[in-house]
Amino acid sequence: KNEVEQSPQNLTAQEGEFITINCSYSVGISALHWLQQHPGGGIVSLFMLSSGKKKHGRLIATINIQEKHSSLHITASHPRDSAVYICAVPIISNFGNEKLTFGTGTRLTIIP
Amino acid sequence: EPEVTQTPSHQVTQMGQEVILRCVPISNHLYFYWYRQILGQKVEFLVSFYNNEISEKSEIFDDQFSVERPDGSNFTLKIRSTKLEDSAMYFCASRTGAGAIYEQYFGPGTRLTVT
Repeated sequence: KNEVEQSPQNLTAQEGEFITINCSYSVGISALHWLQQHPGGGIVSLFMLSSGKKKHGRLIATINIQEKHSSLHITASHPRDSAVYICAVPIISNFGNEKLTFGTGTRLTIIP
Repeated sequence: EPEVTQTPSHQVTQMGQEVILRCVPISNHLYFYWYRQILGQKVEFLVSFYNNEISEKSEIFDDQFSVERPDGSNFTLKIRSTKLEDSAMYFCASRTGAGAIYEQYFGPGTRLTVT
């Protein structure tokens, strides 16, 4: 059972297009993380959000806690946005500790 | 801006050898994590560490693995006797506190190759 599902798995788009990546989760959470993984493997945290919407530059993240769904949008996409985008949610263990559970990622390729 | 660092960036070792992966978390952070990503698969939680002890560990984190914060700045992951299936990217992360408002900061990763 996947607790965090992302779609699509792969996305190729032309430069300038509006991009949407979706994340659905099956457990109650306090916050959700969007991460970016570069081709070299490094991970950068983009957003952490627990309600509503956040915006950083051309990136927008939204979350609907009731529907257990989050989206990451990229406006005016650029080839440098090409990366794997990962959704992660904190799951509370039986011991009351929090650990991140990751989606499988969406590989985004922006063609010039 | 402060960042999490990891060394080495790439480690090649022979099966059965011990490896130590090193991380320097951000200096005022109190919660530390190790994650693993096998090539082509998703990132997986290995262990969390707080107040000089393990607070949570996954099924992957068996007796072959150990973590330590030996000197108040480094945070290490040791694999005692590496197996081929330990080949993966290992990420360290840290944050100031626990709970929804505290973001995790990831290191650049160490690529471990076991031959």
